[in-house]
Amino acid sequence: EVQLVESGGGLVQPGGSLRLSCAASGFTFSDHYMDWVRQAPGKGLEWVGRTRNKANSYTTEYAASVKGRFTISRDDSKNSLYLQMNSLKTEDTAVYYCVGPSVDYWGQGTLVTVSS
Amino acid sequence: QAVVTQEPSLTVSPGGTVTLTCGSSTGAVTSGHYPYWFQQKPGQAPRTLIYDTSNKHSWTPARFSGSLLGGKAALTLSGAQPEDEAEYYCLLSYSGAVVFGGGTKLTVL
Repeated sequence: EVQLVESGGGLVQPGGSLRLSCAASGFTFSDHYMDWVRQAPGKGLEWVGRTRNKANSYTTEYAASVKGRFTISRDDSKNSLYLQMNSLKTEDTAVYYCVGPSVDYWGQGTLVTVSS
Repeated sequence: QAVVTQEPSLTVSPGGTVTLTCGSSTGAVTSGHYPYWFQQKPGQAPRTLIYDTSNKHSWTPARFSGSLLGGKAALTLSGAQPEDEAEYYCLLSYSGAVVFGGGTKLTVL
């Protein structure tokens, strides 16, 4: 059974940083690309970014709204996905979902609140 | 960045049929956009119903189907049930980037 469990959310001040983690199980993590998707309160889904697998050189893609501030990484030895968020803005407040493989499975999400 | 459009809201009668669509600001949606469809109920994480235009997961009820229709991706619900009332999102891929539609709130009434 595929499981994705996010952690690391919380309250952070504008301009601050936060690192989210996602523990994956139930599939061969290293074979697949993984995504982060977020949902602001009462709003729709927004794709944040993607990391591809080793066969595709672990290349990453980002939404324009987070490019240069957020970094996606992975540790295949730990079956884990990460989202480093810097220079956070109030508009980054959202539930962040770990999604994969291939946008097929979703974690339960972790809430990030950016507020002073 | 491309904009993906969906109907903001639709209503279907119990047992009825409804089609939700997903369009692209760049032109016709094709299988090369690898359309996905997701269902989200209040307070829950989304779940994937359809991938790569028309493929279903093991948990996807048979009454849902995906297709390309008139230059858009389409999700058809045949025989709507009360439990199908939810928000539905589509997703399209564009040369590495991924864009969600704004969602369709489906009411079964």
